[in-house]
Amino acid sequence: GAVVSQHPSWVICKSGTSVKIECRSLDFQATTMFWYRQFPKQSLMLMATSNEGSKATYEQGVEKDKFLINHASLTLSTLTVTSAHPEDSSFYICSARVIGRTNEKLFFGSGTQLSVL
Amino acid sequence: KQEVTQIPAALSVPEGENLVLNCSFTDSAIYNLQWFRQDPGKGLTSLLLIQSSQREQTSGRLNASLDKSSGRSTLYIAASQPGDSATYLCAVPPQGGSEKLVFGKGTKLTVNP
Repeated sequence: GAVVSQHPSWVICKSGTSVKIECRSLDFQATTMFWYRQFPKQSLMLMATSNEGSKATYEQGVEKDKFLINHASLTLSTLTVTSAHPEDSSFYICSARVIGRTNEKLFFGSGTQLSVL
Repeated sequence: KQEVTQIPAALSVPEGENLVLNCSFTDSAIYNLQWFRQDPGKGLTSLLLIQSSQREQTSGRLNASLDKSSGRSTLYIAASQPGDSATYLCAVPPQGGSEKLVFGKGTKLTVNP
């Protein structure tokens, strides 16, 4: 099946710094990628939808200036958490949509555990 | 607003036992329903996808059923093994596409050898 590579798998940073998370589709082109986050003991929540070559669409309550999404190519989408604070500590995960002839599937990256001190 | 609930939140069983995980959703206008497996610190692996027109899907020891009218799905795992230990997530998209999946909080399964 399709592979989505996400890096880094975990990161610890100081409050106020920025962190970039990358998601690459390794053997397919992903025109659309989705970014989710999951707080402890909570469900995965969609943050934004990233479309190649256009601006991302953010879900209600997600600050677009804080969570910068870039999808400059068909195989790479990045999420930058700017000026991270402890409350941004969470598990971030991306997924890419693959549209086939008869259906579509979502493939997920391995996730990034962010801890902000 | 679609809400997905999974019961139980955690389950611990001895190896070899058959078990059922439950998922319920509030809005029955769904396109499909997916069950995922999440291992600690790792991504999600899609296990089964049931289209809205289907009643069940099977893959190996896994069987997922869907009752759209009552807003319920079950994941049946036969002859459980320690390797089945993981968190199982149920997710539904709104009708019209697979964007904006709404996830349940998951059921953390532990299969003891």
